[in-house]
Amino acid sequence: GAGVSQTPSNKVTEKGKYVELRCDPISGHTALYWYRQSLGQGPEFLIYFQGTGAADDSGLPNDRFFAVRPEGSVSTLKIQRTERGDSAVYLCASSILGPGTDTQYFGPGTRLTVL
Amino acid sequence: KNQVEQSPQSLIILEGKNCTLQCNYTVSPFSNLRWYKQDTGRGPVSLTIMTFSENTKSNGRYTATLDADTKQSSLHITASQLSDSASYICVVSARGNTPLVFGKGTRLSVIA
Repeated sequence: GAGVSQTPSNKVTEKGKYVELRCDPISGHTALYWYRQSLGQGPEFLIYFQGTGAADDSGLPNDRFFAVRPEGSVSTLKIQRTERGDSAVYLCASSILGPGTDTQYFGPGTRLTVL
Repeated sequence: KNQVEQSPQSLIILEGKNCTLQCNYTVSPFSNLRWYKQDTGRGPVSLTIMTFSENTKSNGRYTATLDADTKQSSLHITASQLSDSASYICVVSARGNTPLVFGKGTRLSVIA
């Protein structure tokens, strides 16, 4: 596609539920990134993929968070046993190569609300 | 610890006026610095990128400066327009494939 797309745009769930957030990167971009952004804050790094593998997952806050990119294109961020503190906008970005000098192109985000 | 600090936190200016946003960073070893614009409800969009050897870069009415010695950058917006209302985020990259370090952003409101 022309840009990075994310679905759903909004997700409301109850505490304790499981959610999946999807990211479609720009075609041909090998690197894909997930960030979390709380109100009034800058994006906070979660994980980045180079192809199918997670090159750096140091930003995942705990083992309730998991992400996959099985075919090196679409990625899914999975959150188990959601907590109210997980409420945030989850941003996905992609770049041609990696996080060095490449420009990252961001999607519009998924706003997650945990009640 | 790698950090990016931005000031002011928020700013309101009249349409047509100029403004300057500041960014200080402690990221090391430094690779490059970017300014992103984030409209409400949207993802950030890159405005400029500067490496160690560059001290100024322009993109239309946006001019970014970098002083790698003092680890400071500024984003100057000339003749502001209503559409400039957004958050402006300073983002610094360390050398190697390490995650970007984001500032919290400056929320700019341009009013008529």
